[in-house]
Amino acid sequence: DTEVTQTPKHLVMGMTNKKSLKCEQHMGHRAMYWYKQKAKKPPELMFVYSYEKLSINESVPSRFSPECPNSSLLNLHLHALQPEDSALYLCASSQGLSTEQYFGPGTRLTVT
Amino acid sequence: GQNIDQPTEMTATEGAIVQINCTYQTSGFNGLFWYQQHAGEAPTFLSYNVLDGLEEKGRFSSFLSRSKGYSYLLLKELQMKDSASYLCAVRDGGYIPTFGRGTSLIVHP
Repeated sequence: DTEVTQTPKHLVMGMTNKKSLKCEQHMGHRAMYWYKQKAKKPPELMFVYSYEKLSINESVPSRFSPECPNSSLLNLHLHALQPEDSALYLCASSQGLSTEQYFGPGTRLTVT
Repeated sequence: GQNIDQPTEMTATEGAIVQINCTYQTSGFNGLFWYQQHAGEAPTFLSYNVLDGLEEKGRFSSFLSRSKGYSYLLLKELQMKDSASYLCAVRDGGYIPTFGRGTSLIVHP
């Protein structure tokens, strides 16, 4: 299994909703990442987990809350989002922090 | 901080060769990645350079000159499916690479 999966593919939510994005990999990778990508822009790093521990939080607002329940799963909990949070949310994993990243297909999020 | 520069857009003809440049200014250097991203899809890993020189992988090659802060991605025998955005990502002294803005390549018949 050489892929990163993400669910859902699309999500529309209101500003008062609570939702979660899910990411899974079975490559035995020990580092997992959340990125946010707006149209025609590069991916922006949000969070990095290494060995299931949060190692980097790029000053992301608290309405985004990551969780790593085990070495294969990564969640992003969303609460009280703003319309400007609408974007493609990409999950990635890598063998270690210094190796190439493998990206999931992303969740396209629209906040209304 | 980091400054990574790529051309915004390039066009080329099917069957031709195209070179996409990336220049960077970083406080340190610990590797450079190239990724391909089709519209609406996730980036896919193409190549990694940490030492000077050329890395060849099929139709794609990547070159690095650390002294010049310069890399290029060379695509040969272009196909229509190569139309995509090509992202240069540079790792400075830390672990996590920073992505450039990407170069949108349009391949014409």
